Amino acid sequence: KNEVEQSPQNLTAQEGEFITINCSYSVGISALHWLQQHPGGGIVSLFMLSSGKKKHGRLIATINIQEKHSSLHITASHPRDSAVYICAVGDGNYQLIWGAGTKLIIKP
Amino acid sequence: DTGVSQNPRHKITKRGQNVTFRCDPISEHNRLYWYRQTLGQGPEFLTYFQNEAQLEKSRLLSDRFSAERPKGSFSTLEIQRTEQGDSAMYLCASRRGTVGEQFFGPGTRLTVL
Repeated sequence: KNEVEQSPQNLTAQEGEFITINCSYSVGISALHWLQQHPGGGIVSLFMLSSGKKKHGRLIATINIQEKHSSLHITASHPRDSAVYICAVGDGNYQLIWGAGTKLIIKP
Repeated sequence: DTGVSQNPRHKITKRGQNVTFRCDPISEHNRLYWYRQTLGQGPEFLTYFQNEAQLEKSRLLSDRFSAERPKGSFSTLEIQRTEQGDSAMYLCASRRGTVGEQFFGPGTRLTVL
């Protein structure tokens, strides 16, 4: 069993839909990161969470420490949101433990 | 500061050649990380520096790989005698302290023919 699991692996939706990507982890963490990677591109950090909820524009990230679960939501999705979204957890040492990513496609 | 930069962005080389990549972190960030990402996979940790000290190396980092951060600022990652299996995106990230957010560079895509 992977230490960080994301679901779904692939998600295709229509423009305007509300998107939810889930991340569950099994290790103790110091923080959880949500990152975005466009095809052929580098990685952009979206959020770093250790508790509660954060919001940037149309993106919302929540974390439940007790349940070891986090969600990334996108409201009013747009084709430019199409990317791979990666959940990674910091173990308090030096490493990020990465999920496999969720490939999101938003169709116009 | 414009963020983490990496050079070159793309490198094509023949098997057996040596290659060197450079990462310039955000200036006040004392921690610098190298990751490797192969197609369809998540990034894999390679090594990290705190200032000029290399504190951890993954077992993925064979003796053909070496990384330096001589003055605690920019870092270089060298791969000697490249193999086709080295083809990947090499990502650099930096952060301030031990618990801050990691900021990623655009990556260097290596293709070994």
